[in-house]
Amino acid sequence: HVQLVESGGGVVQPGGSLRLSCAASGFSFSTYGMHWVRQAPGKGLEWVAVISYDANNKYYAESVEGRFTISRDNSKNTLFLQMNSLRPEDTAVYYCAKRIAVDLWGIDYWGQGILVSVSS
Amino acid sequence: SPELTQPPSVSVSPGQTAKITCSGDALTNQFSFWHQQKPGQAPVLVIFKDTERPSGIPERFSGSSSGTTVTLTISGVQAEDEADYYCQSADTSGPYVLFGGGTKLTV
Repeated sequence: HVQLVESGGGVVQPGGSLRLSCAASGFSFSTYGMHWVRQAPGKGLEWVAVISYDANNKYYAESVEGRFTISRDNSKNTLFLQMNSLRPEDTAVYYCAKRIAVDLWGIDYWGQGILVSVSS
Repeated sequence: SPELTQPPSVSVSPGQTAKITCSGDALTNQFSFWHQQKPGQAPVLVIFKDTERPSGIPERFSGSSSGTTVTLTISGVQAEDEADYYCQSADTSGPYVLFGGGTKLTV
């Protein structure tokens, strides 16, 4: 069955950097696009970024454009999110999620989430 | 910017039918997806491509679409259905993936 396991979260000071990882298993990782979605404490879901199956296409939410970079290593079935110039408003649980199909933007599986806290 | 609008809350008694709507211009040419999120848990997909139900999701969950509005219907609501529900769609002109603000279903 599909498993997505995030790691790399923690507490970081404003202006700092953090790199999240997501280990995928149970499906052919190299043939699916992947998303990052976040959820601030007590708030709703906010899409962050998406990457195509071959990493040739990447798209970002305006709120993270230029600060965050999504990438993947298909040889290791792993998704990444490099987060730079972090702000307090980036504090959230970050979920990696599997894209349902190459021609659809929907999500069909979610990881359990990892907490990122930006605070001095 | 494009957005999806959901009612903040819906309340029903056990055994009744709950309807949660999601409205937005993007829904006229993009499919909708519905995700259920219980407290402290990751979301779970319950409806995809407007009307299809993933394996393992109870038949009481169904979806429909009309113009700029999609609806998640839960027939014969059970206590375990109490959760937040989020609609999801897309806008290919950016910001690409859209989420509604979420609806808290109280049973």
